[in-house]
Amino acid sequence: GQQVMQIPQYQHVQEGEDFTTYCNSSTTLSNIQWYKQRPGGHPVFLIQLVKSGEVKKQKRLTFQFGEAKKNSSLHITATQTTDVGTYFCAAYSGGGADGLTFGKGTHLIIQP
Amino acid sequence: ETGVTQTPRHLVMGMTNKKSLKCEQHLGHNAMYWYKQSAKKPLELMFVYNFKEQTENNSVPSRFSPECPNSSHLFLHLHTLQPEDSALYLCASSQAGGTMTGELFFGEGSRLTVL
Repeated sequence: GQQVMQIPQYQHVQEGEDFTTYCNSSTTLSNIQWYKQRPGGHPVFLIQLVKSGEVKKQKRLTFQFGEAKKNSSLHITATQTTDVGTYFCAAYSGGGADGLTFGKGTHLIIQP
Repeated sequence: ETGVTQTPRHLVMGMTNKKSLKCEQHLGHNAMYWYKQSAKKPLELMFVYNFKEQTENNSVPSRFSPECPNSSHLFLHLHTLQPEDSALYLCASSQAGGTMTGELFFGEGSRLTVL
């Protein structure tokens, strides 16, 4: 199945600092999705990117899809304690209803 | 409330027990999934059902047996499990079609402990 590599595995930041997580694939992706999982919770969908070079923003979150559709990033500006959790990218490269393959996630830890 | 309900939320079972996890989605989706999330291996896709037909089985041991009686319900039957099967089992649904899968809506998960 589709393999996606996500880095870093853990990121410690001071509140107010920026945060970025990266997702990479060796093959071209049809689309890429991003999810957030709060501690003790379940993954919640954030966004889907489809077009080459696409950039989408949600308040302090900026999502990018690479020109070659092989990588993606999530950037959070001025982190807040509510941003704590694990951020996953998920890739789908085929047709039909195959399941998404998730990256290992980046655990964001924020120190007040 | 995500529209995807999983029961039970917590389950403790011995290795010789037989139990089932249940998932129900109220979103009108046509695809349902079982994922396993453990401390060492996050979010592993186990089974995919599209229009009630199993379309993917990621080499899951036969001690896990899925059942999808209709597009709203999904079960995971468990028997003779091993302690390493202890994990959070997440059900998800999506509206699948064309060449893409829509966003996944996850249930809150069933935390399984095998003694």
